[in-house]
Amino acid sequence: TQLLEQSPQFLSIQEGENLTVYCNSSSVFSSLQWYRQEPGEGPVLLVTVVTGGEVKKLKRLTFQFGDARKDSSLHITAAQPGDTGLYLCAGEVTGGGNKLTFGTGTQLKVEL
Amino acid sequence: NAGVTQTPKFQVLKTGQSMTLQCAQDMNHEYMSWYRQDPGMGLRLIHYSVGAGITDQGEVPNGYNVSRSTTEDFPLRLLSAAPSQTSVYFCASSSTGTATDTQYFGPGTRLTVL
Repeated sequence: TQLLEQSPQFLSIQEGENLTVYCNSSSVFSSLQWYRQEPGEGPVLLVTVVTGGEVKKLKRLTFQFGDARKDSSLHITAAQPGDTGLYLCAGEVTGGGNKLTFGTGTQLKVEL
Repeated sequence: NAGVTQTPKFQVLKTGQSMTLQCAQDMNHEYMSWYRQDPGMGLRLIHYSVGAGITDQGEVPNGYNVSRSTTEDFPLRLLSAAPSQTSVYFCASSSTGTATDTQYFGPGTRLTVL
């Protein structure tokens, strides 16, 4: 059973469009992270959210942690080809002993 | 700083062969871990270490061994490779090992078991 489900699994859009990626679970998470992974490389941390309802912005990326800490979203405004990559959410289940559970991933392709 | 380095980058094994995936970090991090990445399944934790001499099992430890004799190195051993172990393997390190800490990942080793 996958604790963290991401949707959509694949997303192909044109440069300049907006998009939202979702990360959902039936479990409560103490914290949640978002990573971006490019082909042939390891994931790179984008953001960490720890408080229910928290919103963080990183340039054109907006991250939100759900009020109940069971879900999160990543919104990209005016996507660029450089945003192409695999986006992964990862969370620590409450009481999970600092172990991260990774989501299933969203593969994003932004075309000119 | 080189960060987290992994060798080899690619490896092909036959069923039953053994090998060691190397991982090293130069950031003096206490916490190191190994993950495998399979399509549609995200990353799954194999083994982790909170410091030299201390290791523990993650979500999918069967078929893998680890040891941590120094702070810098955390090798992953496959004693008898199986086709089910075909995957991309990532080593990661962080300063404290808490879930809110930044994990730094290596570039990965792509392993194929025939």
